[in-house]
Amino acid sequence: AQKVTQAQTEISVVEKEDVTLDCVYETRDTTYYLFWYKQPPSGELVFLIRRNSFDEQNEISGRYSWNFQKSTSSFNFTITASQVVDSAVYFCALSEAIGNSGYSTLTFGKGTMLLVSP
Amino acid sequence: DGGITQSPKYLFRKEGQNVTLSCEQNLNHDAMYWYRQDPGQGLRLIYYSQIVNDFQKGDIAEGYSVSREKKESFPLTVTSAQKNPTAFYLCASSPGQRNQPQHFGDGTRLSIL
Repeated sequence: AQKVTQAQTEISVVEKEDVTLDCVYETRDTTYYLFWYKQPPSGELVFLIRRNSFDEQNEISGRYSWNFQKSTSSFNFTITASQVVDSAVYFCALSEAIGNSGYSTLTFGKGTMLLVSP
Repeated sequence: DGGITQSPKYLFRKEGQNVTLSCEQNLNHDAMYWYRQDPGQGLRLIYYSQIVNDFQKGDIAEGYSVSREKKESFPLTVTSAQKNPTAFYLCASSPGQRNQPQHFGDGTRLSIL
């Protein structure tokens, strides 16, 4: 069975600090997809990024960057110069194929709550 | 705007009562999902549907039921058999393929009276 571990339950930083959220996954699939979602206090999950297993190129989007390392089964997320609006729960997720249907479900980690104070 | 609409936002259930949570999407997505979220927990899959008139149990389906009579709609019923229903329920949809992200509604918070 697949598994996603987000060992950091809660992280508190002061605005403008950099912060890295860890995600470690387990899968027997050779092709898989990883996702990061943000859940602000309002509750809905917002999709941030998708990464496939055969593309290890790191990605940067503004203050966000993602470091995918297949050798350590990790897909870490860094926020540079954090802001109060970054306060949220962040989830890492791994897609799991449903047989040979071509469809999939997601396995989520337990999430990391990030608190950014002014 | 395209999206997923969950209603109601807050719901209260009396003992022995069944309640139904609504989920509608206008994204033309084939697949729809229901998750339960408890404090400090990740999202746990209750049911999912890949196509109309077909659905599958997820990891925690006991005490819940669903239907998928229309592509746009995937209502979740929390039955009286679910002894601990207090949680935040999230509905999602996706085109279905593995590389496609799921899109989520705003959630329904269910509490016991």
